[in-house]
Amino acid sequence: GENVEQHPSTLSVQEGDSAVIKCTYSDSASNYFPWYKQELGKRPQLIIDIRSNVGEKKDQRIAVTLNKTAKHFSLHITETQPEDSAVYFCAATGRRALTFGSGTRLQVQP
Amino acid sequence: KAGVTQTPRYLIKTRGQQVTLSCSPISGHRSVSWYQQTPGQGLQFLFEYFSETQRNKGNFPGRFSGRQFSNSRSEMNVSTLELGDSALYLCASSIGQPNTEAFFGQGTRLTVV
Repeated sequence: GENVEQHPSTLSVQEGDSAVIKCTYSDSASNYFPWYKQELGKRPQLIIDIRSNVGEKKDQRIAVTLNKTAKHFSLHITETQPEDSAVYFCAATGRRALTFGSGTRLQVQP
Repeated sequence: KAGVTQTPRYLIKTRGQQVTLSCSPISGHRSVSWYQQTPGQGLQFLFEYFSETQRNKGNFPGRFSGRQFSNSRSEMNVSTLELGDSALYLCASSIGQPNTEAFFGQGTRLTVV
């Protein structure tokens, strides 16, 4: 089955800096890659997703890139703000349900 | 449009007991997936139901089971509870087509003592 690895497990940045979270996947059939943000005590919420026919997607301060050949995808957050502090999960799916990475705890220091 | 609703929000059970968790998906969604979330293991996939049929299954023991009703509501049952079953159980609903967004419920926090 699919295996998704996510790095780093924790990330601390200063407000205004950029943050990058990287994931790799194993199943070449995977073609949908969402990113979820989970604030403390809340449900995971989708913040951006990308499909395999696209190499990059942006939404304001958030962008995701996908390299199908290398089987990795990344989340980029620019101009980080304290409210970006949360746990971020990457996921991949193709033929089965979503497989999630282990999560990255992002802390933005004011 | 109402979101995904999970009940109950909190449960405390004793080892050896069984428990049933409920998930009501977004209206019109036919797929419900269940995940176990623990601090050390992240989000682990349990199973997915689509149109009352189990479509996918994760690597959990047979003590974990589920079902889906004709109105797409889903229940998850855990029998012979163990201390290690303490976790946040999340369900996610989607329309069920490939590559579509999954919406999560707030979860049920299960504590086994």
